[in-house]
Amino acid sequence: QKEVEQNSGPLSVPEGAIASLNCTYSDRGSQSFFWYRQYSGKSPELIMSIYSNGDKEDGRFTAQLNKASQYVSLLIRDSQPSDSATYLCAVNNDYKLSFGAGTTVTVRA
Amino acid sequence: DTGVSQDPRHKITKRGQNVTFRCDPISEHNRLYWYRQTLGQGPEFLTYFQNEAQLEKSRLLSDRFSAERPKGSFSTLEIQRTEQGDSAMYLCASSLSDAEQYFGPGTRLTVT
Repeated sequence: QKEVEQNSGPLSVPEGAIASLNCTYSDRGSQSFFWYRQYSGKSPELIMSIYSNGDKEDGRFTAQLNKASQYVSLLIRDSQPSDSATYLCAVNNDYKLSFGAGTTVTVRA
Repeated sequence: DTGVSQDPRHKITKRGQNVTFRCDPISEHNRLYWYRQTLGQGPEFLTYFQNEAQLEKSRLLSDRFSAERPKGSFSTLEIQRTEQGDSAMYLCASSLSDAEQYFGPGTRLTVT
């Protein structure tokens, strides 16, 4: 079993719609969770961090964490063409980040 | 810009040659990490430093790989006797202790 698994993509959404990305992790002791955005050929860019159960909102992004279910999600509201990228879920295991393989999102105009 | 910087951004080398990459972290960050990313995969942890001490090395880091962080500032990652399987994006990240990790632009290595 992989440490971090993300829903397989690609995910295509119309402009203005909500994109929903899911992630599950195997280490029940994990405490820190992150979403990174990665444009093609570029490095990962941190967009959200979440540490406690519940929702965390930042602009058009909402991260949700459920430690009991070992589940993290990211919602992108009012999706824009500039949101087209690969989204990486990362879980902090002590000092290192374990990443999922990413979900590629395409926002179509 | 005071983000993480990496040099070079691209490196093409022939199999068997040695290569060295440099990473300059965000100035106040005490932790520095190296990751490797291949196409279609998320980054994989290689090693990390707290100040100048190398505290963990992944089993992915074979004996051909060595990393240093002299004086707890910049870091170098050297790959000796490169193989085609070493072709990847090498990413450096830094953080202030357990806080969020910020990535540099990466070094894309191609071994021919």
